[in-house]
Amino acid sequence: AQSVTQLDSQVPVFEEAPVELRCNYSSSVSVYLFWYVQYPNQGLQLLLKYLSGSTLVKGINGFEAEFNKSQTSFHLRKPSVHISDTAEYFCAVSGSFFGNEKLTFGTGTRLTIIP
Amino acid sequence: DAGVTQSPTHLIKTRGQHVTLRCSPISGHKSVSWYQQVLGQGPQFIFQYYEKEERGRGNFPDRFSARQFPNYSSELNVNALLLGDSALYLCASSYSRSTLETQYFGPGTRLLVL
Repeated sequence: AQSVTQLDSQVPVFEEAPVELRCNYSSSVSVYLFWYVQYPNQGLQLLLKYLSGSTLVKGINGFEAEFNKSQTSFHLRKPSVHISDTAEYFCAVSGSFFGNEKLTFGTGTRLTIIP
Repeated sequence: DAGVTQSPTHLIKTRGQHVTLRCSPISGHKSVSWYQQVLGQGPQFIFQYYEKEERGRGNFPDRFSARQFPNYSSELNVNALLLGDSALYLCASSYSRSTLETQYFGPGTRLLVL
């Protein structure tokens, strides 16, 4: 079984400042890792995913994340945030083998951009 | 192309009632998954259907059931509703059952049980 911990439930950041949203996972098997964003009253949208290969993954809207196997982390970063980045961000994990494809989500981090 | 659609968008039911939620996947997608998102929490996996067969089930009671139709649309049924079933129910579709494939989420159905 896999689990995800998002330590920060809320993160306020000034506009144009950098941001890091933290995600740690636990799993006894190799995993795939994901970041989703949820804007108010909308469904989830995939920001980026790590399947294999390069540990630095670039996604949409200028976001990137780095997979760190030794620290079991997959933190999300953006060098300069905008008001439009205000949303809930979810880290998720799934097993990488056939028959273990369900996504397990963290509890989310609410990113608030301060003008 | 149209994204994942869900109906209805909002629903109010009373305890003990039954509810049916519907999902139409993106054209060409054969896998549909259902998630429950309680306010303030992340989505929790309920079911995955692929090619009309249940391929995965989360830790939910038997009051929850689902099915997938030949056109790959899906229904989620919940019997004997409890107050704790109040949540946003999300449907996600993908081409195959593998998580190598991106799951695309619909806007959800918000269920309130009184």
